[in-house]
Amino acid sequence: DGGITQSPKYLFRKEGQNVTLSCEQNLNHDAMYWYRQDPGQGLRLIYYSQIVNDFQKGDIAEGYSVSREKKESFPLTVTSAQKNPTAFYLCASTMTTGGVEQFFGPGTRLTVL
Amino acid sequence: GNSVTQMEGPVTLSEEAFLTINCTYTATGYPSLFWYVQYPGEGLQLLLKATKADDKGSNKGFEATYRKETTSFHLEKGSVQVSDSAVYFCALRSDSSYKLIFGSGTRLLVRP
Repeated sequence: DGGITQSPKYLFRKEGQNVTLSCEQNLNHDAMYWYRQDPGQGLRLIYYSQIVNDFQKGDIAEGYSVSREKKESFPLTVTSAQKNPTAFYLCASTMTTGGVEQFFGPGTRLTVL
Repeated sequence: GNSVTQMEGPVTLSEEAFLTINCTYTATGYPSLFWYVQYPGEGLQLLLKATKADDKGSNKGFEATYRKETTSFHLEKGSVQVSDSAVYFCALRSDSSYKLIFGSGTRLLVRP
C-alpha cells in the first residue's frame, strides 16, 4: 500500500537534546512538508522540499533542521535551540504536477521533559 | 497574503442534525480549496476538494461548494453521526505555490 509513514508515534526527550523525526513516503511524490500542531490550533509550516537536495524554510523554521537526500525521505531534526518543542508533528507530501492535495502521515507526538 | 478563516468551535450537535461549518478565504488568483478531517491522535485525511469556482466537492455525505463571489467554501452534511466527531480544517493552495494555508480548525462533537 502506498502512503506516508512517520516514526516513532510517541517520542520523549530530555531538554537540551536533539531529536530526529522520520518521514518516509512511497507515493513517488516530489514535494514533502513538515508541520507543527499545538493543542487546539491549526498547522504551521516548518520546512518544505520540492526536490531532492533542496528545501526551504516555512513560517516557523527556527530551531529545526531538515535534509532531503532521497526522494522518499525527509527527516526533521528538532534541535536544542527550539524553545518549546513539545508538539504534534505532521509530515505531508504532494505531487508537483497533476495533483493539488497533500497527503499526511499519522504524526509523531514529541514530549520534552 | 493568503488566509483562511473558519468558524470557531466546538460545534455540538445531536445525531442526525444538519451540519454547517463556515470557511472563508482571502487569496489572489484561483486557489484550490480543501477540507481535511483529523480524528484524535491521528494525521489529517483529505475529506473533499474543489479546484475551480462553482465546483462542488463531496465525500461520505459531506459537501462543499467553491463560491468565488463570496470567497467561501462552507462544509455541510445533512445528517451527522457520532463517528463524524473530529476536527475539521479548511485549507487553500494558491495557483502559484505548492504550500497549503490552513484555517485554525473546528472541533465537531456529535452526541447520540
